[in-house]
Parts: sequence; C-alpha cells; structure tokens
Amino acid sequence: NAGVTQTPKFRILKIGQSMTLQCTQDMNHNYMYWYRQDPGMGLKLIYYSVGAGITDKGEVPNGYNVSRSTTEDFPLRLELAAPSQTSVYFCASSYLGGEAFFGQGTRLTVV
Amino acid sequence: DAKTTQPNSMESNEEEPVHLPCNHSTISGTDYIHWYRQLPSQGPEYVIHGLTSNVNNRMASLAIAEDRKSSTLILHRATLRDAAVYYCIRDLGTASKLTFGTGTRLQVTL
Repeated sequence: NAGVTQTPKFRILKIGQSMTLQCTQDMNHNYMYWYRQDPGMGLKLIYYSVGAGITDKGEVPNGYNVSRSTTEDFPLRLELAAPSQTSVYFCASSYLGGEAFFGQGTRLTVV
Repeated sequence: DAKTTQPNSMESNEEEPVHLPCNHSTISGTDYIHWYRQLPSQGPEYVIHGLTSNVNNRMASLAIAEDRKSSTLILHRATLRDAAVYYCIRDLGTASKLTFGTGTRLQVTL
C-alpha cells in the first residue's frame, strides 16, 4: 500500500518557469490537501478538495492552481515561479476528515 | 477563527509522561480536535483526534476539558523518538480544512 505519493522529491526552478507537483493516493480518500512549509514554520494550507471535481482555496492560494479530475490525483500547478514559493510542499489525504496521511514532501527551490 | 494556542516548546525526560496543552477557547460544538506531529525532515503524522470525551490509542491519550475550550495530549512514556513538533488543530466541523498553527516543539532528553 503506497499511501500518498508525491513527485518529484526535489526540484530547482528558475524564476518565471512553471511546473506541476504531482500527488496521488491509493486509499480511495475523498479529501485531499496541499500545504507548504517554509523553513522553521508551520504548514500553510494552499488548496483542498473534498472530492473529484471540487476544490477550494486555503490560507495561501495565490500563485497556485489545482484540479481534481479523479479521486486519486490532486496536482498542484505553479504558473510563474517566484522566489517566495521556495518551500517544502506536502500533499495529504483523508477519508471524510479523519486521519490524514501525508506524503514525504517536495522540496522546491526557485532561483 | 480556527486559532488554537500552544506553547512554543516543552522539554521532557525520557520514560516520563508528557502533557502537551492546547487552548481552543472559541471552539464550537461540532469541531473536532486533531493532533498531528512532525518529526524532523518528515511529513506530519496523525496522532489522535476527538470530539468530547477522552480518547486513547496506541500512541497517546487525548483529554478534552468539559467545556471543550482546551485539551491535552498525553504521551505516557516519552522516548527520544517522540521528539517532534506537535500540532493541535481545530477542525471546523466539516473536517475539510486542517489548518495548522505553529505547534509545540517537544525535546526529549536522557
């Protein structure tokens, strides 16, 4: 059972480039989340989804987009990367808001 | 406002119990209290959650005050592996937004 899988694990982007952080879960969870964590800080919720076709903004959505076309996948899109988006990104999933399972994170550096 | 208040840091000796407090004075009747922890260089890990009565699992116990304005996560015997940042999260009823605060950094010493 793979749980929540994030790819890539590490990435360096140049300012203005775009990329998609992939997140997939194999637990048939309906809720999925994207967080960012800056060094020494807590996690900030970027976007979340309560089911396929439904997404909503979290605390810090600016500069990001998401889609949820399937139950399993919840990709996070950065359109115009900025140094302020240098962070560790975590994806998570849960069933009806119970125990949430987190991926191992994607460490993104924008230079 | 989904804010919870936790001490920035706490210390414990190994093999001793640890009580991690959390205040959530504006909690409403349908809000669950969740606890997660984050070990160094890892993603957060679920610890426990509850609504009104005390809850126990293999990792910890959760004691919720009668007025529900505060709760305490209890680690019965701290080990070095329990050194982590512990987050108390108030779930806004719908369970769809897990909003993390700054958490309590627990140090465990020999």
